[in-house]
Amino acid sequence: KAGVTQTPRYLIKTRGQQVTLSCSPISGHRSVSWYQQTPGQGLQFLFEYFSETQRNKGNFPGRFSGRQFSNSRSEMNVSTLELGDSALYLCASSWGDSGYEQYFGPGTRLTVT
Amino acid sequence: AQKITQTQPGMFVQEKEAVTLDCTYDTSDPSYGLFWYKQPSSGEMIFLIYQGSYDQQNATEGRYSLNFQKARKSANLVISASQLGDSAMYFCAKASNNAGNMLTFGGGTRLMVKP
Repeated sequence: KAGVTQTPRYLIKTRGQQVTLSCSPISGHRSVSWYQQTPGQGLQFLFEYFSETQRNKGNFPGRFSGRQFSNSRSEMNVSTLELGDSALYLCASSWGDSGYEQYFGPGTRLTVT
Repeated sequence: AQKITQTQPGMFVQEKEAVTLDCTYDTSDPSYGLFWYKQPSSGEMIFLIYQGSYDQQNATEGRYSLNFQKARKSANLVISASQLGDSAMYFCAKASNNAGNMLTFGGGTRLMVKP
């Protein structure tokens, strides 16, 4: 069974631009969660989608948004990029709606210059 | 707010020895799950082991075991017979069973295995 895939793996953007990251979960998994990892703040939860509905949202500004498609693939979008958005963005998928193991993708490393 | 504390920012262990990575958590949830992940320098988070708050026995997965002490709110990871490939960051995380799949992570412990 293929694991969680994320594209692109690396990305360099300029301040003010926007970016879209993609995550394909493990086949059969209905939940996709997104996390931001930075050296200063550690791993922080962005949002979770389950069956195309956003169920939870972390404490991030509205510039961060996401969606999930009917095939469970998910995208997250960051508009008006800031230098502080430079981070490793990880997505995780899970089969169930709560309390199940979550499997992470390799991440997208975003650098904002 | 949920808080996960990993008090050891870095640790050394001799190859083939056992090592314990500490994790304590703060919660008022009646039901929750605890996870440990390994993150090598490549960045990918690798799932290691899971413990449910109502599980009667400590979880084990190969060389990994979880020393779960519910009353003390601790969930320490024990790695037996350390290998050089175990050198990585290790994160403890918690999910509330009434809050979807949202994970709250600790700050991590960097484990370095010496040959």
